[in-house]
Amino acid sequence: QVQLQESGPRLVKPSETLSLTCTVSGGSISSDSYYWGWLRQPPGKGLEWIATVYYSGTTYYNPSLESRASISIDTSKGQFSLRLSSVAAADTAVYYCARQRVQCSSCMDYWGPGTLLTVSS
Amino acid sequence: DIQMTQSPSSVSASVGDGVTITCRASQDINNWLAWYQQRPGKAPKLLISGASILETGVPSRFSGSRSGTDFTLAISSLQPEDFATYFCQQSNTFPFTFGPGTTVDIK
Repeated sequence: QVQLQESGPRLVKPSETLSLTCTVSGGSISSDSYYWGWLRQPPGKGLEWIATVYYSGTTYYNPSLESRASISIDTSKGQFSLRLSSVAAADTAVYYCARQRVQCSSCMDYWGPGTLLTVSS
Repeated sequence: DIQMTQSPSSVSASVGDGVTITCRASQDINNWLAWYQQRPGKAPKLLISGASILETGVPSRFSGSRSGTDFTLAISSLQPEDFATYFCQQSNTFPFTFGPGTTVDIK
């Protein structure tokens, strides 16, 4: 059974850079059948896709965040990561990592439990 | 960006009722529409991909369909565990976008 787990700080100060890591277990992060993505959900609001990475290192970004976001993958560790620079209060959200299946054009079939990140001084 | 709208935003129903949720895309997304269920405090769970393909393990009371740019999620007989928020998501075109969600609560 594939499992994903987010890790990283829970509190970040405005203007700083947040860094989150997703550790994948129970399956290979190097499979060509999947992409790996980050999404977020502000409290009480809807879901927003942030970025996606393929095992080869190919990346895709939401244009609304592209100037501040960076996604990367470390296949040797079974992890992929997100960095978001110059954070502000509007970046406060639950951040999820997810596996995206190539077969269904990147539908998100496994999710981490999510981590609440708060931006505050 | 492709805009996804959902209706209704919320619906109250009883156990055993049938419920239908509609999602409309602002342009053609082919069949690349997924439905997710989210319970409070939990991550979303994929129910349906490709507009109508039920994920393994998802009860058959859930079904999905497409008519042009309109997509429907139907729950034939609500069970207590079905009271949750449902989101649609298009993956035809970057950036991937979600509908605002439909909350199904107990009448």
